[in-house]
Amino acid sequence: LAKTTQPISMDSYEGQEVNITCSHNNIATNDYITWYQQFPSQGPRFIIQGYKTKVTNEVASLFIPADRKSSTLSLPRVSLSDTAVYYCLVGDAHNAGNNRKLIWGLGTSLAVNP
Amino acid sequence: DTGVSQNPRHKITKRGQNVTFRCDPISEHNRLYWYRQTLGQGPEFLTYFQNEAQLEKSRLLSDRFSAERPKGSFSTLEIQRTEQGDSAMYLCASTGGGTDYGYTFGSGTRLTVV
Repeated sequence: LAKTTQPISMDSYEGQEVNITCSHNNIATNDYITWYQQFPSQGPRFIIQGYKTKVTNEVASLFIPADRKSSTLSLPRVSLSDTAVYYCLVGDAHNAGNNRKLIWGLGTSLAVNP
Repeated sequence: DTGVSQNPRHKITKRGQNVTFRCDPISEHNRLYWYRQTLGQGPEFLTYFQNEAQLEKSRLLSDRFSAERPKGSFSTLEIQRTEQGDSAMYLCASTGGGTDYGYTFGSGTRLTVV
């Protein structure tokens, strides 16, 4: 099982770009990298998923270097509503049943200040 | 479809009582998961269904816990003889088959055992 390591907390200000890096040195060939966002008293929400290079959607970008041992979630121009916990997970996307074996760490608590 | 629905949102119960939570997944999703989350921690896997079959149970799920998913639709999680250590957020998530990877979580049921 690929373990992930991410900063426990980060601070930012409204309008800034925020980059959260996740380390996953033992990532396997079939593993995808997925990021979730969680607000207090709510379930996590899927943000973005990628396998290599760069993925972008309307919410965020995900940068994955060639060795895939780390990834960076980039949130452009954050607002107060982006204050949340962000989880990085690594797993085999081709065997969705294996998702049950994903290990959710403590995530990164992002605080966006006015 | 309005996503994954969980009821109730909050439950306060006395130690020793039984409680039951319900989860209605996204209708076309055949996989359903239960997770438990305590304050400051990431979600912990409890159990997993593919259609009506319960395929895996975590060792976290003691014999006081039971989950069902009759007819492969909604699911219930029952905790018998509740203990204070059962106080947590209970999250339900669903996902489709194939290469669909991201979970869709419900808002959870917050259980407080007093």
